[in-house]
Amino acid sequence: DIVMTQSPHSLAVSLGERATINCKSSQSVLSTSNNKIYLAWYQHKAGQPPRLLIYWASVRQSGVPARFSGSGSGTDFTLTISSLQAEDVAVYYCQQYYSLPTFGPGTKVDIK
Amino acid sequence: EVQLMESGGGLVQPGRSLRLSCAASGFSFDDFAVHWVRQVPGRGLEWVSGVSWNSGSIDYADSVKGRFTISRDNAKKSLVLQMNSLRAEDTALYYCVKGNSGVLTGSGAWFDSWGQGTLVTVSS
Repeated sequence: DIVMTQSPHSLAVSLGERATINCKSSQSVLSTSNNKIYLAWYQHKAGQPPRLLIYWASVRQSGVPARFSGSGSGTDFTLTISSLQAEDVAVYYCQQYYSLPTFGPGTKVDIK
Repeated sequence: EVQLMESGGGLVQPGRSLRLSCAASGFSFDDFAVHWVRQVPGRGLEWVSGVSWNSGSIDYADSVKGRFTISRDNAKKSLVLQMNSLRAEDTALYYCVKGNSGVLTGSGAWFDSWGQGTLVTVSS
């Protein structure tokens, strides 16, 4: 199984400031056949189901605000919230779909 | 609008069985893989099981292999998770999840829609 790790475990950011979440996979999730990264990001707010934010490591799902962006290479990935809003308080998970799905442990984002 | 509605959760004793169901609507059910993902209270997300569009590919997390069985009925647009030999560590909120493609892994296999979840509590 591909093991996903995330850092930090939690972070608190002032409104309007940048939040950066890191994710690492135990092996590459870059496909050499299509040069795509098999990595997604989800937002999970309390009392709601998770919401897909990003797939292919950097493609925003329809309806996701432009302040959310994803980047990365074969094993190291980043989710950035460029200007944190109050409604962004949530736990954020990375997930690989290169092989049977595995999630990172999550990063809790709060307002400072 | 994609809708996934889980049912069947509840309180069950260790060693007993429970059957979860998911009713799907708002999309062409037989074109997409569907999965179960769970969240233990206060912890992260864990993929449990998935079935491809035509049931040709089925797989399970090691933690449930041999105890859980997933199945789908495309005519009824429904997904079922039969859970046997339940353990305390199976206590979780179980989500029915739609994949973005018909396959379990690889191209397009992210999770694009989630149900509200059904709570399973395993306790004596």
